[in-house]
Amino acid sequence: NAGVTQTPKFQVLKTGQSMTLQCAQDMNHEYMSWYRQDPGMGLRLIHYSVGAGITDQGEVPNGYNVSRSTTEDFPLRLLSAAPSQTSVYFCASTRTSPGGEQFFGPGTRLTVL
Amino acid sequence: KQEVTQIPAALSVPEGENLVLNCSFTDSAIYNLQWFRQDPGKGLTSLLLIQSSQREQTSGRLNASLDKSSGRSTLYIAASQPGDSATYLCAVQRGSQGNLIFGKGTKLSVKP
Repeated sequence: NAGVTQTPKFQVLKTGQSMTLQCAQDMNHEYMSWYRQDPGMGLRLIHYSVGAGITDQGEVPNGYNVSRSTTEDFPLRLLSAAPSQTSVYFCASTRTSPGGEQFFGPGTRLTVL
Repeated sequence: KQEVTQIPAALSVPEGENLVLNCSFTDSAIYNLQWFRQDPGKGLTSLLLIQSSQREQTSGRLNASLDKSSGRSTLYIAASQPGDSATYLCAVQRGSQGNLIFGKGTKLSVKP
């Protein structure tokens, strides 16, 4: 098992550019989510999904879009990047019933200039 | 609103010492609680998961306890080693969906 994988590892964008952060898991987990980690703020939930075709907003969803067309993949889209989106992004997955251990990807370090 | 607090924010101990990291949460209606380790520039590694019906979990030199009624969890590390140096994060899951609320972590440094 590869677990949770994320690409790219690092990315530099200019303000206004768009990009997609990729996340995939091979554990057949129903639940997948995206967090951002900022100094002094800890990890905050951006969006999550409880299954293919089902997504919902977390604590800080503005500026991000998600979709879930397959169980394995949960991409995060930045439509028009802003400097405030400079952060480290983590994808996570778990089974939902019963509540299980959450597994995190290695992260994507994003800088928006 | 659920809030998770970890005290202390940083801790430095000599090698071989037993230590306790603390995590508190404001709403006792949690589904489970998970402890993670994060090395600098790396992702989160799961250490222990405690379901709401459990009181403790053990893995090697690590023991985590949960007291839902008082809103507290502790992570006990026995015979600490320099390799234990990392940031330790506590997170609670409120419902069956899976959303986690994290504390800001305790940065542990174990000196040889």
